[in-house]
Amino acid sequence: GDSVTQMEGPVTLSEEAFLTINCTYTATGYPSLFWYVQYPGEGLQLLLKATKADDKGSNKGFEATYRKETTSFHLEKGSVQVSDSAVYFCALSDGYGGATNKLIFGTGTLLAVQP
Amino acid sequence: GAGVSQSPRYKVAKRGQDVALRCDPISGHVSLFWYQQALGQGPEFLTYFQNEAQLDKSGLPSDRFFAERPEGSVSTLKIQRTQQEDSAVYLCASSTTSGRARTDTQYFGPGTRLTVL
Repeated sequence: GDSVTQMEGPVTLSEEAFLTINCTYTATGYPSLFWYVQYPGEGLQLLLKATKADDKGSNKGFEATYRKETTSFHLEKGSVQVSDSAVYFCALSDGYGGATNKLIFGTGTLLAVQP
Repeated sequence: GAGVSQSPRYKVAKRGQDVALRCDPISGHVSLFWYQQALGQGPEFLTYFQNEAQLDKSGLPSDRFFAERPEGSVSTLKIQRTQQEDSAVYLCASSTTSGRARTDTQYFGPGTRLTVL
């Protein structure tokens, strides 16, 4: 079945460092790919998404490119801030063959940014 | 406008008790999803509604879990005879369209943290 694998955390960075969180997926059809973020004490929020191969999603300085050839959707940010400290979830929705458009999540990556 | 809301935010139950968790989706959203998030894990799908119709309940872990959305808006997830393995955060999400479009964005509520003693 469909699945998402993302790098384990925690990831600890200093402020202004470059961030990469790896995400790869397995899917039957042609999924849409998402990054959700969960700030401390808050619910899941959509950070960005891409719906087809070679699309780049971007938001708040974060970006991720849908790479079909490597089945990847790595999250990047050029300069992280303390306020970016959160748990980041990679997810896909497939809905292949008319199936429900449920989200399939990775296990999450905790990012801690130190001043 | 208002986002997805869930209540209660925290629930402690003794093993064997029944619990009911409520979700208020964004007004007008057709699709509603329930997910279960165990500690340190990503959310896992439980069930899906399109308006009042429950179209997919393949993720419900046992027949102790029951969900309804009788008027196509508010939804309730009920767990009967709770067990310790039911301890988790229960998330509700809604989206604007039919839930069959893989491009849809799902908007999540803050979750209900259930602890079964």
